[in-house]
Amino acid sequence: QVALRESGPALVKPTQTLTLTCTFSGFSLSTSGVSVNWIRQPPGKALEWLAMIDWDGDKFYRTSLKTRLTISKDSSRNQVILTMTNVDPVDTATYYCARVRGGRPYDFDHWGQGTLVTVSS
Amino acid sequence: QSILTQPPSVSAAPGQSVTISCSGTTSNIGTSSVNWYQQFPGRAPKLIMYFDDLLPGGVSDRFSGSKSGTSASLAITGLQSEDEAEYYCAVWDDSLKGIVFGGGTKVAVL
Repeated sequence: QVALRESGPALVKPTQTLTLTCTFSGFSLSTSGVSVNWIRQPPGKALEWLAMIDWDGDKFYRTSLKTRLTISKDSSRNQVILTMTNVDPVDTATYYCARVRGGRPYDFDHWGQGTLVTVSS
Repeated sequence: QSILTQPPSVSAAPGQSVTISCSGTTSNIGTSSVNWYQQFPGRAPKLIMYFDDLLPGGVSDRFSGSKSGTSASLAITGLQSEDEAEYYCAVWDDSLKGIVFGGGTKVAVL
């Protein structure tokens, strides 16, 4: 069955680079229409989509964070990696990865459990 | 400020119905299908509606979705205590070239 799991540091200092890994199973990121996305949720706030990498290697980023985000995939390890540079306390959030199975309308049918990242000195 | 506008909260008594609205623009809801997610505190969101009005397997048919122009709605009939959760709409935005979420609506069962 489909499963995704996020991993990364729980605490990061301001100005550092955050690297998060999404390890997935039960599907292939090489299948047409499939993508893996990163979504975050600051404590008590709404969901925010961050980035997508699709089966064809195309990448899309949240406009306001585009200069700070990089998404990549390691197909041999079934992993998608998100890096965020120059983190700030406002980046404190639970970070989720989620799968899209068939392109538009980009419905996230499976989610990881999320990982809480706190940005603090 | 979210691109998609949802009411912060809605409430009704058990057995009654509620409708959650999601207002967007021609660059998002006006041109793309809407998805809806249910989230309980401390849990990951769950897809409960896609392609505006399609139910994923295992989701109660007390949930229904609709869309007209640049607005979408999620209705819950026969409200139950287990429906108390936060609900988010989401859609692809052609101008931003990305996915946008609504601000979320908390459903309370009185």
